[in-house]
Amino acid sequence: DVKVTQSSRYLVKRTGEKVFLECVQDMDHENMFWYRQDPGLGLRLIYFSYDVKMKEKGDIPEGYSVSREKKERFSLILESASTNQTSMYLCASSLRLVRPEQYFGPGTRLTVT
Amino acid sequence: EDKVVQSPLSLVVHEGDTVTLNCSYEVTNFRSLLWYKQEKKAPTFLFMLTSSGIEKKSGRLSSILDKKELFSILNITATQTGDSAVYLCASPRRPNNAGNNRKLIWGLGTSLAVNP
Repeated sequence: DVKVTQSSRYLVKRTGEKVFLECVQDMDHENMFWYRQDPGLGLRLIYFSYDVKMKEKGDIPEGYSVSREKKERFSLILESASTNQTSMYLCASSLRLVRPEQYFGPGTRLTVT
Repeated sequence: EDKVVQSPLSLVVHEGDTVTLNCSYEVTNFRSLLWYKQEKKAPTFLFMLTSSGIEKKSGRLSSILDKKELFSILNITATQTGDSAVYLCASPRRPNNAGNNRKLIWGLGTSLAVNP
């Protein structure tokens, strides 16, 4: 079974803080993704990585950065958290070429006050 | 612009009812369509459809793709309260130059509530 884990289920941070969200997958998947999910807006892709140290911007990268130093780990960084970054953050992984389905972690509910 | 549109946005039924959820798509170089179920947490993968007219089935859930009319439906028969969830459909985007087509275009989902 594919297992994707995220470092925290719930997180509360203050405006201006630097926030790190970590994701680890154990299936040797090349692709990893960070999404945020908000009511009425659905799943929106923040960043995508298809290999170690490789990344691509998604649809809403502003205010975020990512790091992929090891194949199994993909980190999302909020350089200076703002209240409009309060959201559910979901990490996912998939194989590069074989099949397109993505496997999700349990999510991190981030609240920025 | 590529898009995936789901309908209805929400649905309330009674246990035992049969429901049909719709997903229409406009995707350049369409390859496949995926269905997910999302309860309180992360989406879980249900089906992938690539061929028109071939039904995928898992228990009380089934899905079919119509590549001519550009839509898919997800049927749930004899619904149970445990079927209450948001159902999402998605399709891979056009590949980038590296041939990696694993970014997905997501619909907004259909929220299904099954009342006892």
